[in-house]
Amino acid sequence: AQSVTQLGSHVSVSEGALVLLRCNYSSSVPPYLFWYVQYPNQGLQLLLKYTSAATLVKGINGFEAEFKKSETSFHLTKPSAHMSDAAEYFCAVIVGDMRFGAGTRLTVKP
Amino acid sequence: KAGVTQTPRYLIKTRGQQVTLSCSPISGHRSVSWYQQTPGQGLQFLFEYFSETQRNKGNFPGRFSGRQFSNSRSEMNVSTLELGDSALYLCASSLGYTSSYEQYFGPGTRLTVT
Repeated sequence: AQSVTQLGSHVSVSEGALVLLRCNYSSSVPPYLFWYVQYPNQGLQLLLKYTSAATLVKGINGFEAEFKKSETSFHLTKPSAHMSDAAEYFCAVIVGDMRFGAGTRLTVKP
Repeated sequence: KAGVTQTPRYLIKTRGQQVTLSCSPISGHRSVSWYQQTPGQGLQFLFEYFSETQRNKGNFPGRFSGRQFSNSRSEMNVSTLELGDSALYLCASSLGYTSSYEQYFGPGTRLTVT
């Protein structure tokens, strides 16, 4: 079955440091891939999506992700973390319905 | 445009009762999907409705049901509530099938079953 795996349930970075959140997918065909962010007591907000138009996808709030077919990965990065980036991040894939990863909680230390 | 709205935002029910949650999609969106979010199971797909028809259903018991009205508003119902049904229920809307269009999520309804 189509799925995504997020490596690391918790990631902690210092303010200004690189953010790297990992996501691997299992698929035999190019998937639709997404990254969502969830702030406390809120719904999910779309950060970016991959739909095979370009392998490097730029999203909101300075985030980007690169689709690597050879590694079946779609890792999320941001060059410099801000305190406001602290939240839970979900990778998701669509084949029929949407399947989410378990989530990665990002903590940003001052 | 107004975003996806869900009512109520918080709900407390007792085991054995039933509950109905409501979702109003973004104007013009015809697809509504429902998800259950719990600390243990994460985000799980419940069902998707498009033009009043259930298009897809996740792996949940028959106690979980839903419907969509002609104005695209959707409701989900859970009968004979169990403690394990305590969760954040998220609704998402999209222009068309979720396989082709991005989804916009509401703030969720937090259901507590005691």
